[in-house]
Amino acid sequence: QPALTQPPSASGSPGQSVSISCTGGSSDVGAYNYVAWYQHHPGKAPKLIIYEVNKRPSGVPDRFSGSKSGSTASLTVSGLQAEDEADYYCSSYAGTNDYVFGTGTTVTVL
Amino acid sequence: QVQLVQSGAEVRKPGSSVNVSCKASGGSLNSYTISWVRQAPGQGLEWMGRIFPMIGVTNYAQKFQGRVTIIADKLTGSTYMELSGLRYEDTALYYCARPIPGSGSGGFDLWGQGTMVTVSS
Repeated sequence: QPALTQPPSASGSPGQSVSISCTGGSSDVGAYNYVAWYQHHPGKAPKLIIYEVNKRPSGVPDRFSGSKSGSTASLTVSGLQAEDEADYYCSSYAGTNDYVFGTGTTVTVL
Repeated sequence: QVQLVQSGAEVRKPGSSVNVSCKASGGSLNSYTISWVRQAPGQGLEWMGRIFPMIGVTNYAQKFQGRVTIIADKLTGSTYMELSGLRYEDTALYYCARPIPGSGSGGFDLWGQGTMVTVSS
C-alpha cells in the first residue's frame, strides 16, 4: 500500500492559518471516513489531533480542524502558534485490515 | 490512566531477530487492538500490523508478511512484536499504539514511548 501524499513542508506566521493536504486513492481516503492526523515532535510519540476525518480528541484545541473531499483529506491549523511547529502525518484505513500513513509535512512557524 | 510501556533499545546483527514488548500499565487493553508502527531515521511513519489480544487475531501489512509476528499475553496485558531477517533498513523507532476508544479504525490516541532498534554488524 503506497503512502498517502502530503506536501513536504508548510509554513505560516503566528496567528495565520496553514492547511495541509493528504491525497490517497479510492481504496483508502476515498473509501473510508477513517482519516486521522497526528502531530509529531522529534523524540516524542505522535499525538492524535484529528480522527474520523474531522473529530478532535479531548484536549485538542479547536484551532485544529479536518475535512475530506473525495480522495483528499485536509488539516487546517488556525491561529498558528509557535508550539504548532512539528511534523504532521495523515493516516487512513485502507481496507482488508490495513492502514497507511502519509509522507509527512513539516510545519514551520515563521 | 492507561499507559503503554515498551521494552528498551536493542542492537541486532543483520539476519537476526528482535522482539519488542509493549505492556499496558494502569489498565487493561484486552478489549482493544494494538498496532505496531515504526519510523526509520528521516522517514515517515509506517504501519506494520496489529493484534486483537482478546481473540488473538492478527493482521499484518503486506510489506512485513512473513517477517513480523505479533502475539499477546492476556494475563500480563503485554503484546510482543518480533521482526525476523533483520536488514540495515529495519533500523527504526518502533511504537505500539492503541486506537481511540469508540473508533476501532479511526486513529491511535495512546502510544508507547518507542523502542529504538538498531541493525548493525
